[in-house]
Amino acid sequence: DAGITQSPRHKVTETGTPVTLRCHQTENHRYMYWYRQDPGHGLRLIHYSYGVKDTDKGEVSDGYSVSRSKTEDFLLTLESATSSQTSVYFCAISEETASYNEQFFGPGTRLTVL
Amino acid sequence: SQQGEEDPQALSIQEGENATMNCSYKTSINNLQWYRQNSGRGLVHLILIRSNEREKHSGRLRVTLDTSKKSSSLLITASRAADTASYFCATGEQAGTALIFGKGTTLSVSS
Repeated sequence: DAGITQSPRHKVTETGTPVTLRCHQTENHRYMYWYRQDPGHGLRLIHYSYGVKDTDKGEVSDGYSVSRSKTEDFLLTLESATSSQTSVYFCAISEETASYNEQFFGPGTRLTVL
Repeated sequence: SQQGEEDPQALSIQEGENATMNCSYKTSINNLQWYRQNSGRGLVHLILIRSNEREKHSGRLRVTLDTSKKSSSLLITASRAADTASYFCATGEQAGTALIFGKGTTLSVSS
């Protein structure tokens, strides 16, 4: 999966607990993205990063925060998990030098909030 | 908000047949991309077509784009069981911007 790993791959947690998902890349790509995938909705963008410490909100950012202190790592945090955040989360990366925004995806994290 | 909408939502065919999936979108685009997702896996980029292109080929894949109708189609020729997956169209702008995905077409190819 193009040098992208996500951890954990599966997680079950309880409502109200904080959760952090990690995306790690070895491609040295500038841009990183977090999406969530839900039945009937396809993939929706949560947050993205265009460089170290540079992030911006996506379509469904409420309840999520992100941080990027190093080029290779992009963290997604659910400050207080809710059942509506049960989903499969995908990280993606894209190159700065690419003319178009072809993206490469990680294997995903399946999160269940009870 | 959803940009692309794939049609049909699900498609079942026999090995050797062709599979055609359609995507409609709402606003002007710079490019349109197709991705494949095997069950339980991440998405894999298949092909990108630019807004000034009308048709593009890659192996058994053929993509068309009609910007006047804001639509695209993906044709997979001589389908194989290994083509069983979900297929998503995504519209994009220049590098560094997020993609907007459709809800996908689930293709099932039986042998």
